[in-house]
Amino acid sequence: NAGVIQTPRHKVTGKGQEATLWCEPISGHSAVFWYRQTIVQGLEFLTYFRNQAPIDDSGMPKERFSAQMPNQSHSTLKIQSTQPQDSAVYLCASSLPRLSNERLFFGHGTKLSVL
Amino acid sequence: GEQVEQRPPHLSVREGDSAFITCTYTDPNSYYFFWYKQEPGASLQLLMKVFSSTEINEGQGFTVLLNKKDKRLSLNLTAAHPGDSAAYFCAVSSSNTDKVVFGTGTRLQVSP
Repeated sequence: NAGVIQTPRHKVTGKGQEATLWCEPISGHSAVFWYRQTIVQGLEFLTYFRNQAPIDDSGMPKERFSAQMPNQSHSTLKIQSTQPQDSAVYLCASSLPRLSNERLFFGHGTKLSVL
Repeated sequence: GEQVEQRPPHLSVREGDSAFITCTYTDPNSYYFFWYKQEPGASLQLLMKVFSSTEINEGQGFTVLLNKKDKRLSLNLTAAHPGDSAAYFCAVSSSNTDKVVFGTGTRLQVSP
C-alpha cells in the first residue's frame, strides 16, 4: 500500500497562472479531503468528497479554487489565476467509509510557490 | 462552524521535561478527537484517536486529557526526548459530519 499519493511534490507558478494539484487516495477509501497548510493558519479545511460526490466545500475560496473527483482513484484541486497568498502546502487525505471517527491518512503534500 | 484554538504555537523543552499542549473547541456536538504528529519533511501521522467517553487516554510516553465540560483537549508528553521534536496538531469532528477541523499546530523542540 503506497499510501496517499500527491503530485507534484513541488510546483512553482507565476502570478496569474493556473495550478492543478493531483491526489490519489488509498484504494478502498471513500472519503477524500483537501487541506491547506501554512505556518500562520495551520491546517485549513478546504473541501471533501465522499464516494466521489462533493459534500462540503465551505473552506474553498469560491472564485479561483475548484476541486473534482472524476473517479475513485484520483482527485484534483485547481487554482486559477494564482496569487502569492496561495503559496502553501496543499494536503490531501483519505479515510475509510465510516464517517468522522475514522483517522485520516495524509499524503506528503504539494508545496505551491507563487512568484 | 467549529473553531479550534491550539496553544502554544511554539514550545521548547529540555530532554526529560514534560511538554503540555492544549486545544479548545467551540462545538458542543464535537464527539471525536485526534492528535496528529508531523515530523519535519514528513506527512501527518495519527498519534491517538480519543473517544468522547474517555477522559484520560494513555499512549506510549504521553497522556491525552479530554474535558468536555470545558471543551478542552490536552496532550502531555511526559519525559520528552529529541525524537519527539515535531509539529503536533489536534483535530476535532462531530458525529454528524466527516469534516475534521484542525488546530493551528504546536511546534515542539526538545533539546538534549
